[in-house]
Amino acid sequence: AQSVAQPEDQVNVAEGNPLTVKCTYSVSGNPYLFWYVQYPNRGLQFLLKYITGDNLVKGSYGFEAEFNKSQTSFHLKKPSALVSDSALYFCAVRVPHLSGGYNKLIFGAGTRLAVHP
Amino acid sequence: GAVVSQHPSWVICKSGTSVKIECRSLDFQATTMFWYRQFPKQSLMLMATSNEGSKATYEQGVEKDKFLINHASLTLSTLTVTSAHPEDSSFYICSAREAPGSPLHFGNGTRLTVT
Repeated sequence: AQSVAQPEDQVNVAEGNPLTVKCTYSVSGNPYLFWYVQYPNRGLQFLLKYITGDNLVKGSYGFEAEFNKSQTSFHLKKPSALVSDSALYFCAVRVPHLSGGYNKLIFGAGTRLAVHP
Repeated sequence: GAVVSQHPSWVICKSGTSVKIECRSLDFQATTMFWYRQFPKQSLMLMATSNEGSKATYEQGVEKDKFLINHASLTLSTLTVTSAHPEDSSFYICSAREAPGSPLHFGNGTRLTVT
């Protein structure tokens, strides 16, 4: 089955410290991977994606993610966390829809990032 | 950048009534729109996918007669929750894209409370 796992419900980090939000996936074929951020009562905002090419992907707001094929992981990272980074983060993988001939996103359960001053 | 507008942002309705949620792409033509449901502290669950001018494709377990989706134009999709019940209370989010492979843009969501 195709799936995305975010093993941590919450990640706590002090402001200024590096942060990592973990994501592992299980898909057939080459994965198309995404990270989104959600603020309270809001929709999702796109952070970055991996399609092909360089394993280290840089995205919005200073975030980056590293694609590791052998470990089937796509962890989100930032060298120096800000209090304003506190939000809910979702990892997602694009998979083909069984019918309809198009793709859909499967989301992980989400990880709440709390950055403390 | 591309913007998806979702309206209303929140709605309270009585059990048995129907509620319509609109999703509009403001500066691009969305050939495909997706509707998600999010329970508190949980992930987004895809409910259905709608392509302009054709019937929506519903995910397994989603009642198509209860959650009516219409994608009548390239800039508007609507989700109607018919005969709403308290268990339908949730956060509903739409997303839209211009074409296969193009970025997916999300609306800000609609919080539905059924009393």
